[in-house]
Amino acid sequence: DGGITQSPKYLFRKEGQNVTLSCEQNLNHDAMYWYRQDPGQGLRLIYYSQIVNDFQKGDIAEGYSVSREKKESFPLTVTSAQKNPTAFYLCASTRRVGQPQHFGDGTRLSIL
Amino acid sequence: GQQVMQIPQYQHVQEGEDFTTYCNSSTTLSNIQWYKQRPGGHPVFLIQLVKSGEVKKQKRLTFQFGEAKKNSSLHITATQTTDVGTYFCAGRGTTDSWGKLQFGAGTQVVVTP
Repeated sequence: DGGITQSPKYLFRKEGQNVTLSCEQNLNHDAMYWYRQDPGQGLRLIYYSQIVNDFQKGDIAEGYSVSREKKESFPLTVTSAQKNPTAFYLCASTRRVGQPQHFGDGTRLSIL
Repeated sequence: GQQVMQIPQYQHVQEGEDFTTYCNSSTTLSNIQWYKQRPGGHPVFLIQLVKSGEVKKQKRLTFQFGEAKKNSSLHITATQTTDVGTYFCAGRGTTDSWGKLQFGAGTQVVVTP
């Protein structure tokens, strides 16, 4: 079955450490997105990408970085500059602009 | 910038009752999408509305897009325990970048048997 795979499901970060969240899709979708979800809040856009080797900042990109070297992969790095990284991170993809978003199961990141 | 507000934030419903959740945008939207997130799960797409005044139904769920394309509503009739979850609306402003879908904070629905 086609879908989006996020790993790991749970991740713990030490102070000063960078961590990378994986997102892989086999839906042949062009666009991919990273969102952050905090309790009682909606999804906030971190980064998005329409094509390989191209991506744009979302509303809360500070302290995060991404790459899009392959169509099916869009990893997110949470850097040590992100002072409040504890959240639920969701990766999504769409076939084209304006299409419904398909989400992965998410990664829960916590501080040790 | 564009903001999408949802009310109410929480909705406690007796099984069998109806309820409505509302979504309001500060700017005109190109389209609006609705998603449902079950507890511990990820958002799942429900529907997209594009035309002014559009109404769509999915079984017991009725979705409406306002005439001015700045608000939307989701009405659920005869609520069931399977309706538990958080319902999000998400819209893209007419002047926003293609990728910027703004999500509301969601309406968390609890159903009492």
